[in-house]
Amino acid sequence: AQSVTQLDSHVSVSEGTPVLLRCNYSSSYSPSLFWYVQHPNKGLQLLLKYTSAATLVKGINGFEAEFKKSETSFHLTKPSAHMSDAAEYFCVVSEAPNTGKLIFGQGTTLQVKP
Amino acid sequence: DTGVSQDPRHKITKRGQNVTFRCDPISEHNRLYWYRQTLGQGPEFLTYFQNEAQLEKSRLLSDRFSAERPKGSFSTLEIQRTEQGDSAMYLCASSLAGTGANEQFFGPGTRLTVL
Repeated sequence: AQSVTQLDSHVSVSEGTPVLLRCNYSSSYSPSLFWYVQHPNKGLQLLLKYTSAATLVKGINGFEAEFKKSETSFHLTKPSAHMSDAAEYFCVVSEAPNTGKLIFGQGTTLQVKP
Repeated sequence: DTGVSQDPRHKITKRGQNVTFRCDPISEHNRLYWYRQTLGQGPEFLTYFQNEAQLEKSRLLSDRFSAERPKGSFSTLEIQRTEQGDSAMYLCASSLAGTGANEQFFGPGTRLTVL
């Protein structure tokens, strides 16, 4: 069965410093992986997706993620945090190609300090 | 606005009452998903439709829950005899099957509070 583990429930950074949100996945086939962001009182927004093309995936708002099959990881990074990045981030794996059912991690709360 | 919409945004009800939520997907999307998100957790899959056919239901979806998508467009999720444990955010998403990674677009959710 597919699953994701987000290694940090809470990450705090200072504005202008790098962001690293860690995610490991488990999948019995070549997975599709996503990062979604959820701002308070707003819907889930797709940041980026990996679909077995380039292993380094660029998303919106300066975020990137690198798919590492040997480490079963899909960590999310951003070179310089902005106050508006404060939100809940979810690492997500698609259960199977045919259904597209998504399996979410527990989430990582990103706090950005001035 | 051509995104996924959900109605109502908030619902407060008393235990034992029935509630119904509506989801309108992006118009050209043929798949529609329901998820439930409790406080501090990631969303959990409940069920999904391809066109009007309900193809999968989670074990989370007890007999008190029923979902429909009668014409392959909007969907409703009904909870009968609500319990306090049903309090959660109910999220709807839609996608177009066969398009790469099956990117899902989410609505704003319906927050249910059962008193």
